[in-house]
Amino acid sequence: DGGITQSPKYLFRKEGQNVTLSCEQNLNHDAMYWYRQDPGQGLRLIYYSQIVNDFQKGDIAEGYSVSREKKESFPLTVTSAQKNPTAFYLCASSMGRRFGETQYFGPGTRLLVL
Amino acid sequence: GDSVTQMEGPVTLSEEAFLTINCTYTATGYPSLFWYVQYPGEGLQLLLKATKADDKGSNKGFEATYRKETTSFHLEKGSVQVSDSAVYFCALTANNFGNEKLTFGTGTRLTIIP
Repeated sequence: DGGITQSPKYLFRKEGQNVTLSCEQNLNHDAMYWYRQDPGQGLRLIYYSQIVNDFQKGDIAEGYSVSREKKESFPLTVTSAQKNPTAFYLCASSMGRRFGETQYFGPGTRLLVL
Repeated sequence: GDSVTQMEGPVTLSEEAFLTINCTYTATGYPSLFWYVQYPGEGLQLLLKATKADDKGSNKGFEATYRKETTSFHLEKGSVQVSDSAVYFCALTANNFGNEKLTFGTGTRLTIIP
């Protein structure tokens, strides 16, 4: 079955530590996205990528980094510079960047700070 | 900038009641409009979409009509079930020619009581 997988489901970060969240898709989609969800708020865009080896900052990119070395994979690193990392992180993908294209979401990773 | 305003929650209804969740938007041009649903502990699933004025999106008994004159995309269902309990997000993508990010509302939590 085609879809988006995210791992791990729960992740714990210690003070000063970088952690990496995995996102893989087998939908053959060109575009991939990372969102952050906080309680009582909508989703906010962190980074997005339209094509391999290219990505752009979203609305809240500070303290995060990404890479897009393969079409199927778009890992997100939460660096120690992100002072408030506790949130639910959602990865999404879409076929392309055509207007009105539907984004499909993974199951999410919940990041907690120890 | 683009924005989505959703009905404040939480909303609690009895099974078989009629549901309306209000959504209004502000956007330049002619956005595409979406409703996503999030079940507890999961990612978002596309519920329905509409890409031009007067279009009606429908799925699983839910409907929403793209009203350009009132800039609205209200979600309705004639008879809700316990399994409809979830958080519902209204969202849009505006035609920004290469910046097709989703802008989300804050979500409306729906609880259906048997």
